[in-house]
Amino acid sequence: GNSVTQMEGPVTLSEEAFLTINCTYTATGYPSLFWYVQYPGEGLQLLLKATKADDKGSNKGFEATYRKETTSFHLEKGSVQVSDSAVYFCALSGWAAGNKLTFGGGTRVLVKP
Amino acid sequence: DAGITQSPRHKVTETGTPVTLRCHQTENHRYMYWYRQDPGHGLRLIHYSYGVKDTDKGEVSDGYSVSRSKTEDFLLTLESATSSQTSVYFCAISDGSSGNTIYFGEGSWLTVV
Repeated sequence: GNSVTQMEGPVTLSEEAFLTINCTYTATGYPSLFWYVQYPGEGLQLLLKATKADDKGSNKGFEATYRKETTSFHLEKGSVQVSDSAVYFCALSGWAAGNKLTFGGGTRVLVKP
Repeated sequence: DAGITQSPRHKVTETGTPVTLRCHQTENHRYMYWYRQDPGHGLRLIHYSYGVKDTDKGEVSDGYSVSRSKTEDFLLTLESATSSQTSVYFCAISDGSSGNTIYFGEGSWLTVV
């Protein structure tokens, strides 16, 4: 079956530091890959996505590239802000219709001033 | 923001009582999902629906039932609540197309005492 593994947190950074959150996946066929962000007390918001190999998703300074050869979709941001403090989830949806998402365990990021 | 409303947003109930959570969408999307979020597990799929009266189980469906009598409403019922069902429950919607985004509601916090 499908599975997603992402690095455990919490990750604590200083403002303007570089952020990387690793995500690897196991899936059959050609999944679509997503990063969702959850701010305290809120639901999940789509941060970015990629639907085929070598696609790069980007949004709000965050980027992730769909690497089929390494089955990875690592999230990066060059200069984090305090407002980026949140929980980040890597997820995939399979080839079959219905788009059922399989999530990683989430990575909590805390950015300190 | 996707038009998804969950109710109630917060509920405390006693062990053994039935509980129903409601999800209402205004997007006319075909697919609706219920996930639960627990520390260390990310989000896990409970049940999903691919049309009116068409539902199927997810990976953690034991102890839960669902119903969808209208396109816009998807109900999640805990027939006899247990403490292990204390969690945050998220409804999500999608049009089901491959690679399309799944949108999440704001969550329902359920505590079973």
